[in-house]
Amino acid sequence: DQQVKQNSPSLSVQEGRISILNCDYTNSMFDYFLWYKKYPAEGPTFLISISSIKDKNEDGRFTVFLNKSAKHLSLHIVPSQPGDSAVYFCAASVGSNTGKLIFGQGTTLQVKP
Amino acid sequence: NAGVTQTPKFQVLKTGQSMTLQCAQDMNHEYMSWYRQDPGMGLRLIHYSVGAGITDQGEVPNGYNVSRSTTEDFPLRLLSAAPSQTSVYFCASLGRDGKLFFGSGTQLSVL
Repeated sequence: DQQVKQNSPSLSVQEGRISILNCDYTNSMFDYFLWYKKYPAEGPTFLISISSIKDKNEDGRFTVFLNKSAKHLSLHIVPSQPGDSAVYFCAASVGSNTGKLIFGQGTTLQVKP
Repeated sequence: NAGVTQTPKFQVLKTGQSMTLQCAQDMNHEYMSWYRQDPGMGLRLIHYSVGAGITDQGEVPNGYNVSRSTTEDFPLRLLSAAPSQTSVYFCASLGRDGKLFFGSGTQLSVL
């Protein structure tokens, strides 16, 4: 049973517009959530994280929103740039420093110039 | 600063062959782990280690062995490769704030 789900395999947006990537989880024990970005032939790289004590975290063009009651998080990228084209994985864990991340399936984002 | 280094980048095996995927990190991280990435499945945890001499199983440990004799190295062994082990393998180490640092991956094909 997939505890972390990204139901959209792909997303295409125009440069300059907003990209919204979604993620749902089922395990109510998860209290730490992360987004990773992955380019082809490279390993995933950390993008942004959020603790369950917050409902929003911003870092430049990237904002993560957490809705604990709905067990849903989303990543907003504003404005989207062609260099943002990559696979985005959301991940969750119980505790912020366990390393045992459970990943979603990934969403491939394409930003068109 | 090399970070997490994985070798080889590509490998083709025949069913039943054995091999070791190498992983080394130079960040003095205690926690290291191995993931596999399959289409539609995301990344799944195979084995992890919280320090030298200590290892434990993740979600999908069957068919894989690990050991951790030093802080720097965390090799993954396939004792008898099967086509179901065709995948991309990522090694990772845990830095501050729960952030995993990943290597660039090993693409393994088992024929």
